[in-house]
Amino acid sequence: QKEVEQNSGPLSVPEGAIASLNCTYSDRGSQSFFWYRQYSGKSPELIMSIYSNGDKEDGRFTAQLNKASQYVSLLIRDSQPSDSATYLCAVKTVRNTPLVFGKGTRLSVIA
Amino acid sequence: EAGVVQSPRYKIIEKKQPVAFWCNPISGHNTLYWYRQNLGQGPELLIRYENEEAVDDSQLPKDRFSAERLKGVDSTLKIQPAELGDSAVYLCASSLGPTYYNEQFFGPGTRLTVL
Repeated sequence: QKEVEQNSGPLSVPEGAIASLNCTYSDRGSQSFFWYRQYSGKSPELIMSIYSNGDKEDGRFTAQLNKASQYVSLLIRDSQPSDSATYLCAVKTVRNTPLVFGKGTRLSVIA
Repeated sequence: EAGVVQSPRYKIIEKKQPVAFWCNPISGHNTLYWYRQNLGQGPELLIRYENEEAVDDSQLPKDRFSAERLKGVDSTLKIQPAELGDSAVYLCASSLGPTYYNEQFFGPGTRLTVL
């Protein structure tokens, strides 16, 4: 069974610090990796996608992918209280397989 | 560009009653997904449509759940009869296509409470 594992948290970081969120996956055939942010009572919002090994930066967010070690991470620089949310990692293999989500990591940024 | 639209946003029903959810995907998105999200869990796929064809419904409880996507645009998900365990958030998402790099965008969801 394909699995995506995340630490449920809460991960607490002070305002202005770097928040590091990690995700491991079991299927070596996984091709695409997504990070979604979900505020309490809201739906998931796509913030990053990454498809090849290495880093991908978008503003304060950096996604890191290491297929050999089967992990993907999300770094949030200069964390703000508004970043407090649950971050969902999602993984997809090839065309006709579903997107598999982890349970999410709850991030709390303390002002 | 408008996002994925869902209605209703909230629904409270008694068990054994029917309920239906409606979704309008992002314009031009051929692939539509229905997910269910339980508290503290990630979304789980119920059914995926490519245009009007259901191509992955292996996780859809077919004894009580049904879905349709007439004309390949809007979609409706129905539960009949609802059970207590169906209480969850039902999310609709869409993407340009089904390939691995196609990003999925979610609607606001429908929070269902079955009493």
